[in-house]
Amino acid sequence: AAGVIQSPRHLIKEKRETATLKCYPIPRHDTVYWYQQGPGQDPQFLISFYEKMQSDKGSIPDRFSAQQFSDYHSELNMSSLELGDSALYFCASSYTGEAKNIQYFGAGTRLSVL
Amino acid sequence: SQQGEEDPQALSIQEGENATMNCSYKTSINNLQWYRQNSGRGLVHLILIRSNEREKHSGRLRVTLDTSKKSSSLLITASRAADTASYFCATGLMNTGFQKLVFGTGTRLLVSP
Repeated sequence: AAGVIQSPRHLIKEKRETATLKCYPIPRHDTVYWYQQGPGQDPQFLISFYEKMQSDKGSIPDRFSAQQFSDYHSELNMSSLELGDSALYFCASSYTGEAKNIQYFGAGTRLSVL
Repeated sequence: SQQGEEDPQALSIQEGENATMNCSYKTSINNLQWYRQNSGRGLVHLILIRSNEREKHSGRLRVTLDTSKKSSSLLITASRAADTASYFCATGLMNTGFQKLVFGTGTRLLVSP
């Protein structure tokens, strides 16, 4: 079965650079979520989109923005990168028509800011 | 953690033993889910228990939920070395119909052969 695809898997950037992370949800899933997991930390919710509209917002810095496109893929744009942005970034997708609304996670993008 | 704590933070057992992990949370929830994460990899959904359920089973997994104590436990029976991973509880909070997950701090489980 198709899973959530994230790209790239690894990304190395310098401070103050920008980064774009991509997420391709499971086909038919209408909701995408982004989470950030720092080293040794639990995942923290950043933002979510339903049918291309932002549905919820968590602890996402103003330097970050995200959107969901017409094909339901989503991109997380990160500017003015800081050392503290180094983390695993997960995308998850779900289908609101499913009663349990379980989120399925991608393998993540590991961002290292040097 | 925004939502709660898990204990123990780390657990080391032998193959064949049972592993019990506990999770506490702070707010009212719609459901509680358990996820597994192998080192530096993605999160895999294990089991979901709704707020009106008290116990749920799935294979070697048993989850309990006590909403009066705002706590849950995950029991893995007859553990295997392949069960070595971090286990997170996550509470499902509904906001205008969309559910974000709030994760606990996780338990690192090591199962030795």
